[in-house]
Amino acid sequence: SQQGEEDPQALSIQEGENATMNCSYKTSINNLQWYRQNSGRGLVHLILIRSNEREKHSGRLRVTLDTSKKSSSLLITASRAADTASYFCTGGSEKLVFGKGTKLTVNP
Amino acid sequence: AAGVIQSPRHLIKEKRETATLKCYPIPRHDTVYWYQQGPGQDPQFLISFYEKMQSDKGSIPDRFSAQQFSDYHSELNMSSLELGDSALYFCASSFRGRGTEAFFGQGTRLTVV
Repeated sequence: SQQGEEDPQALSIQEGENATMNCSYKTSINNLQWYRQNSGRGLVHLILIRSNEREKHSGRLRVTLDTSKKSSSLLITASRAADTASYFCTGGSEKLVFGKGTKLTVNP
Repeated sequence: AAGVIQSPRHLIKEKRETATLKCYPIPRHDTVYWYQQGPGQDPQFLISFYEKMQSDKGSIPDRFSAQQFSDYHSELNMSSLELGDSALYFCASSFRGRGTEAFFGQGTRLTVV
């Protein structure tokens, strides 16, 4: 399975702080993707990192990938209340199986 | 830019009825995925299609079937609906040939009463 497992399952921080979420996966992947989902809404693609990349930035997002440990991390810097959402990772391209996600709450 | 379109956005059906959900992928995307997300649950992979052929299958009940048509749109057919089928159903598409990201539609909220 290429399922991503996110850690922690819930995270509560204050606005302006950084939030770090981790993801582990089981099999070899070509790329790993992070998604955000606001309650009851669709999943929004945040960033894709390929297996030959170690780090990628996009705005306030920083993603790292360690293929030897089969893990990835998503860092959101200078968090905002609008970042409150569930965050999921998934690897591969055939199934895109999602784990339980990290529920991030950013308190104003 | 064109996104993944799902219809209808909301659907109410009675038990034992049939429902058909439609998905229109982003133009030139060759892969479509279907997901089911119950209240408070993570998205569960149902089925995917690559170039109009079934690519992979997840936890899709036998009462459900899906297909992808020549114009690449896909339909998820659900028969003998049960109360437990009430959920958000998402469709996503990607260009697997380039290993690019998958984009999701806004989902169809199915309520079975």
